[in-house]
Amino acid sequence: QSALTQPASVSGSPGQSITISCTGTSRDVGGYKFVSWYQQHPGKAPKLMIYDVNNRPSGVSNRFSGSKSGNTASLTISGLQAEDEADYYCSSYTSSSILLFGGGTQLTVL
Amino acid sequence: QVQLVESGGGLVKPGGSLRLSCAASGFTFSDYYMSWVRQAPGKGLEWLSYISYSGDTIYYADSVEGRFTISRDNAKNSVHLQMNSLRAEDTALYYCAKYSSGWDLDHWGQGTLVTVSP
Repeated sequence: QSALTQPASVSGSPGQSITISCTGTSRDVGGYKFVSWYQQHPGKAPKLMIYDVNNRPSGVSNRFSGSKSGNTASLTISGLQAEDEADYYCSSYTSSSILLFGGGTQLTVL
Repeated sequence: QVQLVESGGGLVKPGGSLRLSCAASGFTFSDYYMSWVRQAPGKGLEWLSYISYSGDTIYYADSVEGRFTISRDNAKNSVHLQMNSLRAEDTALYYCAKYSSGWDLDHWGQGTLVTVSP
């Protein structure tokens, strides 16, 4: 049960777009459409931003989008804003019927 | 609105036990799977366990299998995590989370802190 692989950090300037990758295997990311993304601000609980690879829950800005190719899923944030600065985690359902998280990516808005 | 409130955290010695609880409100509790997720200080999220609607399907992460037990009481809208044989590496903020109708966690509590130390 190794964690999904995410870059430790990414950064971008306001207004720019950034992409965070999440790499797994055919037993998790590559095998199912059940990839989710969570945003976590310091001292706060995680918040669901994307589910089922590319769906946004009600209330989440359309600046957030998700995609998947093979064993790698991606979260793209367009039109970066200061409030987007947070940690982001991907997760995937797995062939073992458990949920696996990525190690997390710290997003810095320059 | 959906509310999840965890309780039961605290300081415990290695080898000790603790029982966490999560009180749910704002949704039909028995219609949803529930889960526990933890976050060690300064670290990432770690999924621990989930329990199905009636409790007949349960899964655990390898790191807690055999030591932790998840349960639920649909009459009291609550889910619990019994933690035995605690180790220093179990020190973390423990979150209760609700599954949506799929395999994502759409609502989270604020967490309860567990510290395992002599």
